[in-house]
Amino acid sequence: DAKTTQPPSMDCAEGRAANLPCNHSTISGNEYVYWYRQIHSQGPQYIIHGLKNNETNEMASLIITEDRKSSTLILPHATLRDTAVYYCIVISNFGNEKLTFGTGTRLTIIP
Amino acid sequence: GAVVSQHPSWVICKSGTSVKIECRSLDFQATTMFWYRQFPKQSLMLMATSNEGSKATYEQGVEKDKFLINHASLTLSTLTVTSAHPEDSSFYICSAGSTGGVRWPQHFGDGTRLSIL
Repeated sequence: DAKTTQPPSMDCAEGRAANLPCNHSTISGNEYVYWYRQIHSQGPQYIIHGLKNNETNEMASLIITEDRKSSTLILPHATLRDTAVYYCIVISNFGNEKLTFGTGTRLTIIP
Repeated sequence: GAVVSQHPSWVICKSGTSVKIECRSLDFQATTMFWYRQFPKQSLMLMATSNEGSKATYEQGVEKDKFLINHASLTLSTLTVTSAHPEDSSFYICSAGSTGGVRWPQHFGDGTRLSIL
């Protein structure tokens, strides 16, 4: 599975959009980009995933560049409850494949 | 949405005790479950892959005789930490992937915080 690179930490003001980048320059054609987050002392929570098209759900939007070498997770109106570590993971077949977690981005929402 | 239940959420026990942690998929069938361990301020590290009806696959450096995994049904996997010692204190998390070949995100339990005195 392709390796991902994320900034170690980011701050965002409450109510503003939080944009979390992820580089995955070695991604292959059959690999999807998945995002999870982990709030302190809880298990990771699935957020969104995509292959090449932009995706949106009730939690977030995912923007994938045309060359698929990077992506951005967007939380449109960040709240204090969005403070967490966000993980970007690239994987080809999700349900039964093991996940490799990097260090993620620690997002802090500032009141 | 899919829910994975993990029990207990918190356990404190004496050194030398064996501790069993359960991971259940509540509304879907999971042929594969994964067990992770997370130390403070670190990321999740995969310990083993649990396959229903077969032996678990352990990651390098994880002792299979110390961390016993059983996946007897499509909705339940257990991790037993045998003869636990203080260095086994950690946050243990399971995840489950559904069956059927349909692309489905893995869902995680809320973890078990294990403290060995």
